[in-house]
Amino acid sequence: EIVLTQSPDFQSVTPKEKVTITCRASQSIGSSLHWYQQKPHQSLKLLIRSASQSLSGVPSRFSGSGSGTDFTLTINSLEAEDAATYYCHQSSSLPHTFGQGTKVEIK
Amino acid sequence: QVQLQESGPGLVKPSQTLSLTCTVSGGSISGGGYYWSWIRQHPGKGLEWIGYIYYSGSTYYNPSLKSRVTVSVDTSKNQFSLKLYSVTAADTAVYYCARVMARAGDFDLWGRGTLVTVSS
Repeated sequence: EIVLTQSPDFQSVTPKEKVTITCRASQSIGSSLHWYQQKPHQSLKLLIRSASQSLSGVPSRFSGSGSGTDFTLTINSLEAEDAATYYCHQSSSLPHTFGQGTKVEIK
Repeated sequence: QVQLQESGPGLVKPSQTLSLTCTVSGGSISGGGYYWSWIRQHPGKGLEWIGYIYYSGSTYYNPSLKSRVTVSVDTSKNQFSLKLYSVTAADTAVYYCARVMARAGDFDLWGRGTLVTVSS
């Protein structure tokens, strides 16, 4: 089973600041890494597909990069509505696995 | 616009079977190109993939749950279902159904989730 480790676990950020969340895989997964946002008491929303593919309807301040074992989710110019927990997920091999989550709080 | 909605009992007794259904609206479950999945989230914790099914009936399960899980599909009702047998308190979680892009493997659409509590 591929283990995904996110860092940091928690981040408190002021609006307009840049946020960087990393996800490290226990073995190479190519670009089969996806990012999700979960707001309190809500379901999950797909933000980035396949490490860096932007999606329709997702604000352009969200971007992803990386391949192999190291990946990054960047939120440029954080907005108040971005307060949420962010998860990475790998689909390279079964079973699908998720990172433990990174909670982003707005100062 | 495709939407997913979970339904089923919110309370299950220990040793019994947890049964949930996901209804797909706004699109056909038989359209191809997607798998249909169950994922759970223990209270205040992370996410665990349970398994998924293709409209043809092919299934894939998490080895950690495989011995207790069945995922099935009813294309006539545009639904897919989860059965988790011999539940314990450790199975208390929010259960989500989700659509999986077959090519990339991401979960591109999620239901709202339903809390299932295992308690006597």
